[in-house]
Amino acid sequence: NAGVTQTPKFQVLKTGQSMTLQCAQDMNHNSMYWYRQDPGMGLRLIYYSASEGTTDKGEVPNGYNVSRLNKREFSLRLESAAPSQTSVYFCASRTGPLRETQYFGPGTRLLVL
Amino acid sequence: GQSLEQPSEVTAVEGAIVQINCTYQTSGFYGLSWYQQHDGGAPTFLSYNGLDGLEETGRFSSFLSRSDSYGYLLLQELQMKDSASYFCAVRSMAGTASKLTFGTGTRLQVTL
Repeated sequence: NAGVTQTPKFQVLKTGQSMTLQCAQDMNHNSMYWYRQDPGMGLRLIYYSASEGTTDKGEVPNGYNVSRLNKREFSLRLESAAPSQTSVYFCASRTGPLRETQYFGPGTRLLVL
Repeated sequence: GQSLEQPSEVTAVEGAIVQINCTYQTSGFYGLSWYQQHDGGAPTFLSYNGLDGLEETGRFSSFLSRSDSYGYLLLQELQMKDSASYFCAVRSMAGTASKLTFGTGTRLQVTL
């Protein structure tokens, strides 16, 4: 039982390049989330998916797109990376409603030059 | 919209008790969560209060007062490994989707 996994762990991009961050969970959770965390800041929600086949914008969606490929996988795509997207990206899945817990992946550290 | 306030830093001695406060302004409040994050690591769940009152899990307790828009995390018998950042997060709903809005975190340093 791996929990939430993310790939890659680290990535360096040049401005204008594109990339997809992958996330998968093996806990059979319906809801999944993408956050970004900047130094000294809390986590900000980029996009979320309440269930397979649905996605919605969070607090900071500009410059990103997502795909909920199936119940397990939720990917985040940067079409044209900008230096302002340099951040640590966390994927999470949620159990609930009784325990109301989000389980986070190890994160992807992205540097855009 | 949502806004949360928590202290940026707290220092405490090993073995002591520390309380981290969190006040919030929000629409559509469903509950308050607490997460711990060590440097370079991922956030991990500590506690959730959906109702007013105290929730206890081992050395950690969390309290919520909806009428005061206030909650706190209480850490007892502090250990060096408790040095980390602690985030409060407000749970809200968008249709059937549950979302968390995080505060900016409180960095706890435990000293000898």
